[in-house]
Amino acid sequence: DTGVSQNPRHKITKRGQNVTFRCDPISEHNRLYWYRQTLGQGPEFLTYFQNEAQLEKSRLLSDRFSAERPKGSFSTLEIQRTEQGDSAMYLCASSLSRGGTDTQYFGPGTRLTVL
Amino acid sequence: GNSVTQMEGPVTLSEEAFLTINCTYTATGYPSLFWYVQYPGEGLQLLLKATKADDKGSNKGFEATYRKETTSFHLEKGSVQVSDSAVYFCALHSNFGNEKLTFGTGTRLTIIP
Repeated sequence: DTGVSQNPRHKITKRGQNVTFRCDPISEHNRLYWYRQTLGQGPEFLTYFQNEAQLEKSRLLSDRFSAERPKGSFSTLEIQRTEQGDSAMYLCASSLSRGGTDTQYFGPGTRLTVL
Repeated sequence: GNSVTQMEGPVTLSEEAFLTINCTYTATGYPSLFWYVQYPGEGLQLLLKATKADDKGSNKGFEATYRKETTSFHLEKGSVQVSDSAVYFCALHSNFGNEKLTFGTGTRLTIIP
């Protein structure tokens, strides 16, 4: 088990630019989640996929944010026209749905800084 | 809506001291409860979990008991070590059709030798 991986680990961008992050879940995990964590706070849910279907989106996910999981494996999170308020750690997690409560396993995160 | 309230930090203890980090929750129905830990420079790791009332989760000397009557899931450890220094997050999963975890704000723990 190689764990959840995320790339890049750090991203610095200028306001107004677009950024894209990638998440590779644990192989055979069918669910994939995106969270955002700001300094001094717990992670906040953004969206989740079951296989390639995006099943839930938070109100935090404005129309500048889009996430995809085209083949039910890796996922990308794109932020268009970044704003300084988008600066945060973006966390990806994956789980295997077997009925009952899944355990979500987290990646190391991508830290975004918008200048 | 669902929410998790954690003991505010930071918490500083001496090595071998007893640790309690309080966590209470508000949720519909019967959520599952988790403690995650974030060591410096690393991602969130699952520490322990409990899926029904009166269950006790345990791992690495840490324990937490799911108390429905007090809507609590306090984290305890009998004798902390310097290596336990980290940020601890309490979280719940509502089991009511949405799959997200709802986290508390985290408690930073520092253990001094």
